[in-house]
Amino acid sequence: EPEVTQTPSHQVTQMGQEVILRCVPISNHLYFYWYRQILGQKVEFLVSFYNNEISEKSEIFDDQFSVERPDGSNFTLKIRSTKLEDSAMYFCASRERLGVNEQFFGPGTRLTVL
Amino acid sequence: RKEVEQDPGPFNVPEGATVAFNCTYSNSASQSFFWYRQDCRKEPKLLMSVYSSGNEDGRFTAQLNRASQYISLLIRDSKLSDSATYLCVVDPYSSASKIIFGSGTRLSIRP
Repeated sequence: EPEVTQTPSHQVTQMGQEVILRCVPISNHLYFYWYRQILGQKVEFLVSFYNNEISEKSEIFDDQFSVERPDGSNFTLKIRSTKLEDSAMYFCASRERLGVNEQFFGPGTRLTVL
Repeated sequence: RKEVEQDPGPFNVPEGATVAFNCTYSNSASQSFFWYRQDCRKEPKLLMSVYSSGNEDGRFTAQLNRASQYISLLIRDSKLSDSATYLCVVDPYSSASKIIFGSGTRLSIRP
């Protein structure tokens, strides 16, 4: 069964460093998303991406965040200068097309900022 | 009012019991509704979509009441493997944009 994959599973970084989280969405899916979940809190939307551009972003997704689809398979989330409060689980998701409701989630990357 | 609100629980019930979760949402124009399941430190996984007429999938029954902006999930004959956090999810626009998660209800099934 096709699945969304994410790497790395765990990333530890120092405050102020840049990190790139990687995702490979399901191959025929057209819509891509990043969500985050701070430990003990709810899953929060960060950004949606379609046709090589951002469709929607939340207030969390400020200038420190960016997304890219550098090739036909990868979808990345970059945090330029990490803060302690960026420590969270980051989930990538993809959706096949409009009219198909389900978003499929990857296993997540646990980001720890020290 | 929160966009999606759930009782956080935890619900601690014996194996074989029936348990029900409720969820309310604030946007009356919301289009699609779901229950996701999340195991500890894992990704959310779709359990079932929720339709206006109500729908059933084995031991699980979901109901939607648009007038009251209320969604429910009923689990019958609960199993140990049902222990998880159940997330109420609303897709406000049924477009390519975000889905909105509730904080989740923790369920623990005891032998």
